[in-house]
Order: sequence, then structure tokens, then C-alpha cells
Amino acid sequence: QKEVEQNSGPLSVPEGAIASLNCTYSDRVSQSFFWYRQYSGKSPELIMSIYSNGDKEDGRFTAQLNKASQYVSLLIRDSQPSDSATYLCAVTADRGSTLGRLYFGRGTQLTVWP
Amino acid sequence: DGGITQSPKYLFRKEGQNVTLSCEQNLNHDAMYWYRQDPGQGLRLIYYSQIVNDFQKGDIAEGYSVSREKKESFPLTVTSAQKNPTAFYLCASSTRTSGGLAKNIQYFGAGTRLSVL
Repeated sequence: QKEVEQNSGPLSVPEGAIASLNCTYSDRVSQSFFWYRQYSGKSPELIMSIYSNGDKEDGRFTAQLNKASQYVSLLIRDSQPSDSATYLCAVTADRGSTLGRLYFGRGTQLTVWP
Repeated sequence: DGGITQSPKYLFRKEGQNVTLSCEQNLNHDAMYWYRQDPGQGLRLIYYSQIVNDFQKGDIAEGYSVSREKKESFPLTVTSAQKNPTAFYLCASSTRTSGGLAKNIQYFGAGTRLSVL
């Protein structure tokens, strides 16, 4: 069974701070990594995908991947109360043309207080 | 509008009853997935289908059944054998890039909340 572990949370940060969310995975051959945001009572929405080692930035969000350490993180700069949600980490080992499955962590609940 | 439509939004099941959750997508995506989410938990995979007329069991397939007769539709039946069906059910789909690569980005429907009467 492939494991995806996230920092348990809940995580609480003040508005304007940097929120750091962490995820480790057990399958060394994992290829693709995703961060989804899920507001309470809603379905998950993709906010970041990353496929290569290093950093990927999109607005206030930065995903960081280190395949050697089997670790992926999400940084949220200038956190806003609207960022308060559960963040789900997902990974897959599938490559090429294979549309396989994702493995999800349990999520980290983030609260940004004004 | 392109997207994934799940219906109904809320569903109630009586003891011993089978119920079917609908999932339709007009994104022309090849693969479709069903997940179950319990309060405070992540997503657990029930079934997935990479192509029409074929599907694979996920981690918690017992008590559920699916069919994939059309590319755009992937209904999930919760059978009476599923003794604890109360959960939030999510349908997702994914596709390849124009170059044929599978980026495996999954897009989700709005979900169906199933409760037991």
C-alpha cells in the first residue's frame, strides 16, 4: 500500500504570514505530485501540480519537490482568511500515457486568522 | 459549460436498498474515478475506469459496483452489502495532454452526500 503522509495539523497562522504544508510519500518511483484545496463541504480543486525536483511558483503558492527525500511541500505566502481550507496532497507513480490512480493524504486543515 | 455533473446532491438510503449515484462529464476525458470521503478523512478510491467497458477496483470496492458503458458516464451503485454507506462521494475524471502524455490531473464533481434513513 502506497502511503502519503501529511503534517497532521490543524495549522493556524495569522493573516499575512507564510503557511507551510508538508507531505511525504513512500513510493520512490512516484512521478507526479499535486496539491488540492478543499473548502468545508465542497469538492477538492487543484491548486498546484509539480513533476520535477525544485520549486514551482504560481502567484502566492510555491510547491517544492525533493524526490531524493520523498518530500513535497506547499508554501502559501501572504496568507489570507480565504485560504482557510483543508489541503490534500496527492501522488501517482504512473508515467507515459497511463491514466492511473492518485494516492491522497488525509489532508491538513489550515486556518488563517485576521 | 464543460464539467463533471454529479447527481443527486443529497441522497438517502433505506435499509437493504441499492442506490445509484450519477456522474456525467462532457470534458471528453478518458478516465473516471469514484472516491469516498468520511469526515476528517482523505479520499479513498472505490473504483476507476481508464476506458469504456473496463474498470478496476480501488481500495474499498466491497459493497459497491460500477459500469462504464459510455465514455461520459460512470455511475456508482451502493449496494445493500455496504453496511456503512454514509459519506461524501466524489467523482473525478482525467485525460491525456495533446501529446498523449498522462499528466494525471484529476478534476472533481461537486459530490453527493449519502445518508442512511
